[in-house]
Formats: sequence, C-alpha cells, structure tokens
Amino acid sequence: GENVEQHPSTLSVQEGDSAVIKCTYSDSASNYFPWYKQELGKGPQLIIDIRSNVGEKKDQRIAVTLNKTAKHFSLHITETQPEDSAVYFCAASMGWTSYDKVIFGPGTSLSVIP
Amino acid sequence: GAGVSQSPSNKVTEKGKDVELRCDPISGHTALYWYRQSLGQGLEFLIYFQGNSAPDKSGLPSDRFSAERTGGSVSTLTIQRTQQEDSAVYLCASSPPGRETQYFGPGTRLLVL
Repeated sequence: GENVEQHPSTLSVQEGDSAVIKCTYSDSASNYFPWYKQELGKGPQLIIDIRSNVGEKKDQRIAVTLNKTAKHFSLHITETQPEDSAVYFCAASMGWTSYDKVIFGPGTSLSVIP
Repeated sequence: GAGVSQSPSNKVTEKGKDVELRCDPISGHTALYWYRQSLGQGLEFLIYFQGNSAPDKSGLPSDRFSAERTGGSVSTLTIQRTQQEDSAVYLCASSPPGRETQYFGPGTRLLVL
C-alpha cells in the first residue's frame, strides 16, 4: 500500500523567511496530494491541494510543487508569519475514484520565530 | 455553514470502561472517516463510511473498537474495555459526494486512567 514520508519533522524559521516541507510517496497510482495545517487543540484544515496533472499550484504565500517522476511533492511558505506556526501534514491518495484511503505523512512541526 | 462537530470534546475514563464518541458530519457529506492521533504523532486511519455502510474497517486496531453510522449522518465510535494505550485524540472527517477533500472536526481527547 501507499506510504508517505515527510521531512523535516521539526522546522524553525525566522519571521519573514521561507519554509519548505518535503514529502515522498511510494504508490505511482496516487494522483491527489492535499496539505493540512493543524493548530494546537484543533483538527487539521486543508490549506492547499494538487492533482497529478498539475506540476505547481500557488495560493498567496503558499505553493505546492509535484514531481511525479520522482514521486515527491513539497510545500513552500513564503514570508512566514507567527500564525503559520502549526503542524503540517502532507497526504496522498488515488483521488479520482469514488473512495480512496488518504495516507498522511507523520507531520512537520513548524515554528515561526518573531 | 456549520462544520464537523464532535462530542464530547474531552473524555476521562477508567481502564476497563466503555466509551462512545460522537461525530456530526457536515450536512450532505456522504463520506465519513475516523482517525486516531496519539500525542505528537500523525493521523492513524481507523474506519471509513460511505452512507451507512463501512467498506473499509481495516484501521480498527482490535475488536474492542467498533463504529456505526445511522441515517447517513451521525456516527458513533465505541471503544469497549478501554486500555491506557487507547488514550489519544480521535478525529472525525467528512467529505462531500465525489470529492476527496476531508473536513475535520476538532476531535475528542480521550484519557484512560
């Protein structure tokens, strides 16, 4: 089955710097890759997602890139702010079907230092 | 509109007792998922519902764990004879028809003493 790895497990950046989180997946059939942000004491919330027919997607300060050949995808946060501090999870699934189990990475704890 | 809600938000119980955790998905969402998140860990898939049926129960860790969904809406996760290792945050998520995006509730924090 699918396996998702995520690095780094913890990341500290200065406010205003960029943060990059990288994930790899094992199943070449996976074609949907969401990213979730989990703030302390809350459930994960979708922040951006990308499908396999797209190599890059951007939403304001957040961007995601996908390399299907290498089976890895990355989250880029620019101009980080203290409110970006949270745990970020990447995930992979074969999203085109009516059901597919979403496999989550282990998470990255991001701290933005003011 | 209203998001996914879960109750109780916190539950403390004694080892050996049974607990019921409730999830109210977003109205109209046909898919419902349960996950377990241990302290500082990732999301462990437990069970998936499509309507009232559960085509994927592969993540339930033991026969002490069961779940049901009625009316294609509310779901209950039951843990019988709780053990200390059951202590975790139990998250519920739902998805609209034909979409993969999962919308999570705030979770139930379970502590087994």
